[in-house]
Amino acid sequence: GAGVSQSPSNKVTEKGKDVELRCDPISGHTALYWYRQSLGQGLEFLIYFQGNSAPDKSGLPSDRFSAERTGGSVSTLTIQRTQQEDSAVYLCASSFGDFTNIQYFGAGTRLSVL
Amino acid sequence: GENVEQHPSTLSVQEGDSAVIKCTYSDSASNYFPWYKQELGKRPQLIIDIRSNVGEKKDQRIAVTLNKTAKHFSLHITETQPEDSAVYFCAATGYQKVTFGIGTKLQVIP
Repeated sequence: GAGVSQSPSNKVTEKGKDVELRCDPISGHTALYWYRQSLGQGLEFLIYFQGNSAPDKSGLPSDRFSAERTGGSVSTLTIQRTQQEDSAVYLCASSFGDFTNIQYFGAGTRLSVL
Repeated sequence: GENVEQHPSTLSVQEGDSAVIKCTYSDSASNYFPWYKQELGKRPQLIIDIRSNVGEKKDQRIAVTLNKTAKHFSLHITETQPEDSAVYFCAATGYQKVTFGIGTKLQVIP
């Protein structure tokens, strides 16, 4: 695939349920980023992976959020015990190198918590 | 932490006029400043970027200027076209962190 792929594109869940969001970065990109975009808002940085290094988790909004990246490629963002305020579009991006390189974004997962 | 302020939040211009969007940042260690364009319902895409060792960069109708002393950078779009209508985000990047502005919704009126 040529670009960053995210799945599912849409996810509707009930309050209190856990959800997993998946991101397939561009092949060869060492860095992977997760962002949250609430309706009409900017991009909120959540977490960053660089290769196989331990991620910087400082941007995660609560301990209900976690993320992992297996084999330095695919990443999953997990939200436990979802709340209505978690409703947003979750965007993944990848890049060569680090933050000072162009980030290529996926189409996002629109999460709706009822 | 870094704080990025972006203004205006909305901007309407007539087709053919210029548009300017301004951002300020707080962390003097930030050294990379990309601009992203997000059309309605689509993913953000980089349109231009500038690094801290450069004061200005131009790509056809788009230019970005950076004033490190004042900690502000601006996006300039000349000869605007209807397809320029979108939300534009600035960002300031430092060591292992990126902070985005709130976004500017640009509307180009034909």
